Amino acid sequence: GQQLNQSPQSMFIQEGEDVSMNCTSSSIFNTWLWYKQDPGEGPVLLIALYKAGELTSNGRLTAQFGITRKDSFLNISASIPSDVGIYFCAGDNYGQNFVFGPGTRLSVLP
Amino acid sequence: NAGVTQTPKFQVLKTGQSMTLQCAQDMNHEYMSWYRQDPGMGLRLIHYSVGAGITDQGEVPNGYNVSRSTTEDFPLRLLSAAPSQTSVYFCASSYGAKNIQYFGAGTRLSVL
Repeated sequence: GQQLNQSPQSMFIQEGEDVSMNCTSSSIFNTWLWYKQDPGEGPVLLIALYKAGELTSNGRLTAQFGITRKDSFLNISASIPSDVGIYFCAGDNYGQNFVFGPGTRLSVLP
Repeated sequence: NAGVTQTPKFQVLKTGQSMTLQCAQDMNHEYMSWYRQDPGMGLRLIHYSVGAGITDQGEVPNGYNVSRSTTEDFPLRLLSAAPSQTSVYFCASSYGAKNIQYFGAGTRLSVL
């Protein structure tokens, strides 16, 4: 089946630094989604992307839908302690084929 | 507005026992789904439903049954629990058209 790869698997950054992570697939998707999961909670949607090349921001977060439709990127600017968590990308085709990546675990050092 | 509610939050079972994980949503979403989350593997789709009376298998359906008698509820049944089913289970729902899924807080299941 379809699989997504996320990199890096984990990262440790200093508070205030910018963060970049990406998600790649061997298959194309029509929708890319980015979720954040806090410990003991379910994933919460951060950004949804519906068009190749689309660049969307949500506060300090910016995500892009790759031109090839096989990848997506998430950037976090000026990280803060509450950014700690696991970030998942998900690809979808018409609402019935959600595929999640394995996640990027982010730790923010004070 | 409660969103997606999962019960129980924690459960310990012995091998061979059966149980039902409950999921309810109050957003009138047509699409509901069940995932399991295991370390380093992200979320894997078990079963999903596009509306009341309609269910279908996801990536890892073996050992699980579902039904969708109402729009609000989508229970997941384990008929004979196995240690391989130790995991965190998440239920999600969405309108479908925009594909934005809302997740419950999860059920942490251990099978001994």
